[in-house]
Amino acid sequence: DTGVSQDPRHKITKRGQNVTFRCDPISEHNRLYWYRQTLGQGPEFLTYFQNEAQLEKSRLLSDRFSAERPKGSFSTLEIQRTEQGDSAMYLCASSSGEAGVGANEQFFGPGTRLTVL
Amino acid sequence: QQQVKQSPQSLIVQKGGISIINCAYENTAFDYFPWYQQFPGKGPALLIAIRPDVSEKKEGRFTISFNKSAKQFSLHIMDSQPGDSATYFCAARARGSARQLTFGSGTQLTVLP
Repeated sequence: DTGVSQDPRHKITKRGQNVTFRCDPISEHNRLYWYRQTLGQGPEFLTYFQNEAQLEKSRLLSDRFSAERPKGSFSTLEIQRTEQGDSAMYLCASSSGEAGVGANEQFFGPGTRLTVL
Repeated sequence: QQQVKQSPQSLIVQKGGISIINCAYENTAFDYFPWYQQFPGKGPALLIAIRPDVSEKKEGRFTISFNKSAKQFSLHIMDSQPGDSATYFCAARARGSARQLTFGSGTQLTVLP
C-alpha cells in the first residue's frame, strides 16, 4: 500500500495523559500536514512540514501540542496533558510539492480517532 | 471566522438524480478549490479540483462549476448512485500560503436506491 498511513487508528486515554500519533506519508512526498476533525465538521489545519522543517502552525495548536518530522519522512504528533476537548479525529496528509499537475493534491490518511475520557 | 461556507448540511437524492452541493468563500486569495469525499471511518479522498481560471471542470459523473465574480463554486453529481452516499467537503487554498486547505463544514449525501 503506497498511501498515507497512520498509527494507531484508535486511541482511548484518560484526561491528563500524553498521547503520540504517527504518520507515514507517501514516500516521495516532501510536504506533510496535520489536521483535526471533530464530529460533523470539516478538517481544520494544525501544522505543516516541508521536509523536516515545520513551516507553519495554526493557532489551534496550543502549547500542549508538538509535532516533529525528524528526517523528513514520518511525522509524530504529541498531545501532552490531554483534555476532553482534544477528542477528535487527527488526520495526516501529504503532497508532492513538485510543479505541475497534481502538485496541489493532498492525500489523506485514515486518521487516528482520539477519545479522552 | 468560517472562510468557506457549505450548503446544504444534508441532502437526500433518488438514485439516478442530480446531487448539487454549494460553497461560497470570502478570501480572494484562494486559488485552488478541491472537493473531497469521505466515508465513515476513513480519511477524505480527493474527488475533483478546479482553479479559478476556468468556469467548469468535469470528470466522469462529477462536475465543478465555478463563479469567480460571485465567489461561489458547486459540485454536481450526475446519475447519483447509492455508492455515492458519503460526506462531501469543499475546500480552498490560498496562494502564497503554507498550502493548507480550508474546509467547508460538509454535506452528508444519501442516495436512495
